[in-house]
Amino acid sequence: DAMVIQNPRYQVTQFGKPVTLSCSQTLNHNVMYWYQQKSSQAPKLLFHYYDKDFNNEADTPDNFQSRRPNTSFCFLDIRSPGLGDAAMYLCATSLDRGGTDTQYFGPGTRLTVL
Amino acid sequence: GQNIDQPTEMTATEGAIVQINCTYQTSGFNGLFWYQQHAGEAPTFLSYNVLDGLEEKGRFSSFLSRSKGYSYLLLKELQMKDSASYLCAVLDSNYQLIWGAGTKLIIKP
Repeated sequence: DAMVIQNPRYQVTQFGKPVTLSCSQTLNHNVMYWYQQKSSQAPKLLFHYYDKDFNNEADTPDNFQSRRPNTSFCFLDIRSPGLGDAAMYLCATSLDRGGTDTQYFGPGTRLTVL
Repeated sequence: GQNIDQPTEMTATEGAIVQINCTYQTSGFNGLFWYQQHAGEAPTFLSYNVLDGLEEKGRFSSFLSRSKGYSYLLLKELQMKDSASYLCAVLDSNYQLIWGAGTKLIIKP
């Protein structure tokens, strides 16, 4: 089945130790998004790729970086995780931006920072 | 600023009907989404409204009034598996999704 896959589902890292989360999709969608969601809060968009065009949200900390080496894969790099970065990280895709192009979410990676 | 308001938590009984409201103030409007999110899982798409009126999809219906900046999600014949958070999200003029914090729905037997 076509889907959005995130690995790992659970990630534990130490304060300040770089970590990479991965996302892959078999939907052949043009747009890939990374969201951060903390408990009982709305998902917060960190950045998105429209094809190879990278779009960073103004309030996304420099500590967060992303790579999209090809259509199928997108990575979230957290260079120096702090305790405040513990959250669920959601990857989503959409065929295009806007309109009826629904965002489809992966299962998420729950990040714990010790 | 942009704002999406929905109740934090609601409780309903199995087999009953519940209506979850969402009001929004955004810079432009290109549609409103409802997503369901079970605890610890990713949001899953429920509905999309861009025109005024009611869209029915099985036990779930979604209503939109653009002039009032208002939407609701109606869940009928509630089942225990409907216990989840329901997120309202609006696509603004820049085609950015603005999310509400979600309404946690608790279903009691």
